[in-house]
Amino acid sequence: GESVGLHLPTLSVQEGDNSIINCAYSNSASDYFIWYKQESGKGPQFIIDIRSNMDKRQGQRVTVLLNKTVKHLSLQIAATQPGDSAVYFCAENIKGNQGAQKLVFGQGTRLTINP
Amino acid sequence: AAGVIQSPRHLIKEKRETATLKCYPIPRHDTVYWYQQGPGQDPQFLISFYEKMQSDKGSIPDRFSAQQFSDYHSELNMSSLELGDSALYFCASSPVLASTDTQYFGPGTRLTVL
Repeated sequence: GESVGLHLPTLSVQEGDNSIINCAYSNSASDYFIWYKQESGKGPQFIIDIRSNMDKRQGQRVTVLLNKTVKHLSLQIAATQPGDSAVYFCAENIKGNQGAQKLVFGQGTRLTINP
Repeated sequence: AAGVIQSPRHLIKEKRETATLKCYPIPRHDTVYWYQQGPGQDPQFLISFYEKMQSDKGSIPDRFSAQQFSDYHSELNMSSLELGDSALYFCASSPVLASTDTQYFGPGTRLTVL
């Protein structure tokens, strides 16, 4: 079946350190993955995405790694800041009927940045 | 840049009442998605629309219905509300019906059913 899950529900790191959030997916046919950040009371905010023909993609302070062999995603945040504290979701873009798409979200990891 | 607009932001209803949630997509986005997020849960796909037609359906109760209008805004209608319907309801939009177009989320409507 379709499922996307996260290994760790909570993660605390010191400000300035790097953080890594992991995600496992089960649908080997998936070709597009997205990381979202959700702050309390707000909607999911797009961070970075990656297509299945890539194994790494970098943004500003964020890097997403994709390992298709073991169906694993990770989000690396460099030099964490207090504003990085949030819940992070990985999402798998699933093709539905007639080419429509929908997102299947993982459990979410709460990242806390300690001063 | 313009974002997805949702209204109302907060809604309190009694059991068995009805509720209507509205979503205004990003300009030039013609695909709208609805998601439900329970407390401490990840968002769950409910339904999507493309060019005013339903394009996909997820775990949406029969008590719920939705539509997309000619100006591309969408409304989620919820009837016979139950306590378990209390959740955050997010709308997202994307520019075209394709497999790799990013969905951008609105701020959500927090529905509380008493």
